[in-house]
Amino acid sequence: GAVVSQHPSWVICKSGTSVKIECRSLDFQATTMFWYRQFPKQSLMLMATSNEGSKATYEQGVEKDKFLINHASLTLSTLTVTSAHPEDSSFYICSARDRRTADYTFGSGTRLTVV
Amino acid sequence: KQEVTQIPAALSVPEGENLVLNCSFTDSAIYNLQWFRQDPGKGLTSLLLIQSSQREQTSGRLNASLDKSSGRSTLYIAASQPGDSATYLCAVHTGANSKLTFGKGITLSVRP
Repeated sequence: GAVVSQHPSWVICKSGTSVKIECRSLDFQATTMFWYRQFPKQSLMLMATSNEGSKATYEQGVEKDKFLINHASLTLSTLTVTSAHPEDSSFYICSARDRRTADYTFGSGTRLTVV
Repeated sequence: KQEVTQIPAALSVPEGENLVLNCSFTDSAIYNLQWFRQDPGKGLTSLLLIQSSQREQTSGRLNASLDKSSGRSTLYIAASQPGDSATYLCAVHTGANSKLTFGKGITLSVRP
């Protein structure tokens, strides 16, 4: 089946530094990728939608200058958390929509801890 | 704005029991509904996808039903096992922008 590789699976960084998370579709092309954030015991909240070759569309309340998204190819999207602060600590999950089947496949998530 | 509700937030059952997880949504104009499983600290695994024109889908011990007009879906798990312990999330796909709206999930614990 379709696989989305997301890494790193966990990262600890110092406050003020930037962290990049990668999301890669391994055996399919994804015209659209989605980035979610999940707090403990909460649902997934969509942060932004990225389409290959164009600027990401951010949900209301999500700072686009803080959460930089790049979708440079049909198989790779990256989320960079810039100048991270402890309140950015969360579980980030990406999802890719198969260009051919329109199915969604989720990555395994990244646990970000900012200290 | 689409809202998805899953109640209760947590459920504990003895092994072998058949159980039903409920999901409700406010806007019936959906493309499809999907049930996911999430293990602690992990990503999501798709369990069943029901298109808006379908009434139910089955996979092994799992059966998901959809009543679009009433805004409800159920996930039926037969003969539950400890390995079924996880959080089950319901999500609906609405709108041309392909957004998925998730419920908060139901954390299931199956006791041996």
